[in-house]
This record gives sequence, C-alpha cells and structure tokens, in this order.
Amino acid sequence: NAGVMQNPRHLVRRRGQEARLRCSPMKGHSHVYWYRQLPEEGLKFMVYLQKENIIDESGMPKERFSAEFPKEGPSILRIQQVVRGDSAAYFCASSPGAAADTQYFGPGTRLTVL
Amino acid sequence: AQTVTQSQPEMSVQEAETVTLSCTYDTSESDYYLFWYKQPPSRQMILVIRQEAYKQQNATENRFSVNFQKAAKSFSLKISDSQLGDAAMYFCAYRVGSTLGRLYFGRGTQLTVWP
Repeated sequence: NAGVMQNPRHLVRRRGQEARLRCSPMKGHSHVYWYRQLPEEGLKFMVYLQKENIIDESGMPKERFSAEFPKEGPSILRIQQVVRGDSAAYFCASSPGAAADTQYFGPGTRLTVL
Repeated sequence: AQTVTQSQPEMSVQEAETVTLSCTYDTSESDYYLFWYKQPPSRQMILVIRQEAYKQQNATENRFSVNFQKAAKSFSLKISDSQLGDAAMYFCAYRVGSTLGRLYFGRGTQLTVWP
C-alpha cells in the first residue's frame, strides 16, 4: 500500500507566479489535510478536505490560497501571486475516516519563492 | 485555545542510553488524542506513537513509550536504548476527539544521538 504521495518535492517560483501542489492520499483514505512548516517551526494546520468538500479552512490565508479535493484525482493546494513569505515546506496528510484516525503524512513539497 | 509546548529545543543522548522529551498541552476538552511524530533530515513526518486521552495505560511501541499525565496535561516521550537512527526533530501533537481532524503541533525538539 503506497503511502501519501506529494509532487513536486521541490518547487521554485518567482514572485507573482502561481504554485500548484499536489497530494494523492493513501489508498482508501478520503480525508486530506494540508499543513505548512516555516523554518525552525512546527507544522501549522491550513485546511481539511473530504472528497469534493472543504470541511475546515480556518488555517488558510483568506487571499491567494485555495484548496480542492475533487471526486477524481489528487488534492490541490494552489497559491496565487506567490510572495517570498510563502517559502516553506507544505505537507499533506491523509486518514481513512474522521475523529479516531491517525493522519499519515506525505514527504512534503518545499516551495522556494525567488 | 489549544496549544502544545515543547520546552526543550534541543536534547542529546549517548547511543544505548535513555532520553525523555517533554511536552505539555493546554485544552478544555475531555476527549482528545496525543501524538509524537519524528522528522528526520529527509523531512518526512513519521508517526512514532499515539495516546488516546480516555486510556489510562501509557502507550508503548518497542523502544518508545510515553508518560501521560492527564491532570497535569503532560505527555512526555521516552526513548530507550537510543540508536543513531533516532536522531531527528520530534514533534508533539494534539487533536480534539471530534469530527474536525486538525492537529496542533509544538515547535519541536531536535534530538542528537552521540555514538
């Protein structure tokens, strides 16, 4: 059973460009979570999605950031008009159900904004 | 508000010795889960151990065990017979036992293992 897949592993963008980060959950998992890790800090929650639904986006900046988890295909975290402060590692986690389940993490995408 | 505090930014241990990493949390919830995750230099987040708040017995996974003190809101991780491969950043995390699955993380403890 393959783990959580994220791509790309490294992404370089210039200020003002768009960044698209992809996450394929583990097989059988229908819940996806996105976290951001700034240098020297722990992970901070951004958004929680189920298939075709956003359950909790309270950790996501109101502007420039969006997330989706379509019926088919991976979950996408989109950052429009990136700025240097968006440089971070972005982690995706998945779980099969809800409250009692453990979240399993992907390897992360390291975004660098020049 | 839920917060997780790891008061030790760095710890070190000699190979084969035992080390304890501290974690405290603040919550008004009675139903919750606690986790320790490990992040080696590869930056992959790896689950080490998990504890359900309703369970009085401390969780154990091979050389890893926790000391869960619910009244004190303390959740420390003990690593016995430390190995070089245990060197990593360790994060304590908390989650409310409801349908909202977000994890709250501490800032981490960097563990160095000396040969």
